Amino acid sequence: GENVEQHPSTLSVQEGDSAVIKCTYSDSASNYFPWYKQELGKRPQLIIDIRSNVGEKKDQRIAVTLNKTAKHFSLHITETQPEDSAVYFCAAGENSGGYQKVTFGTGTKLQVIP
Amino acid sequence: ETGVTQTPRHLVMGMTNKKSLKCEQHLGHNAMYWYKQSAKKPLELMFVYNFKEQTENNSVPSRFSPECPNSSHLFLHLHTLQPEDSALYLCASSHHGTASGNTIYFGEGSWLTVV
Repeated sequence: GENVEQHPSTLSVQEGDSAVIKCTYSDSASNYFPWYKQELGKRPQLIIDIRSNVGEKKDQRIAVTLNKTAKHFSLHITETQPEDSAVYFCAAGENSGGYQKVTFGTGTKLQVIP
Repeated sequence: ETGVTQTPRHLVMGMTNKKSLKCEQHLGHNAMYWYKQSAKKPLELMFVYNFKEQTENNSVPSRFSPECPNSSHLFLHLHTLQPEDSALYLCASSHHGTASGNTIYFGEGSWLTVV
């Protein structure tokens, strides 16, 4: 099965700086890579995703890159703000039998220091 | 946001109790999931239902029993749990059949404490 590793487990940055979270995956069949943000006491929410036919995707201050050959993908947050503080999860997977079969990483707790 | 709602939000139960978690999705999705979230561990997929049919059971102990009466409702029946089962249980849903409609939407979760 799929194995997803995520680093770092905690990350502190000054407000305005950039934050980068990296993930690796093991199954070459994986073709869908979502990123979720979970604020304290809240549900995980999708913030951006990328599919294997795309190398990079950007949405305002958030960007994700994918290197299929090396089986790794990264989340980049620029101009960080205190409201970016949360736990971020990467995931890798594919559509399987009519549902989204994804494996999640262990999460990165991001703290943005004002 | 009330797309996926879960009740109860908090539950404390003894090891000999029987209780149930309930999930309802209002998004017209055709797949529903139960995930377990424990401290410092990745989200663990427990069960998946697609059009009311169970399509995945990730070696979950039989003390957890899912039920999906229709595409909008999902239950997780709990009995004779262990303290290590204490965790946040997240329900989720997604829609399949369109190219871009595969996003998994999570509920707020049910915090379970087994004493």
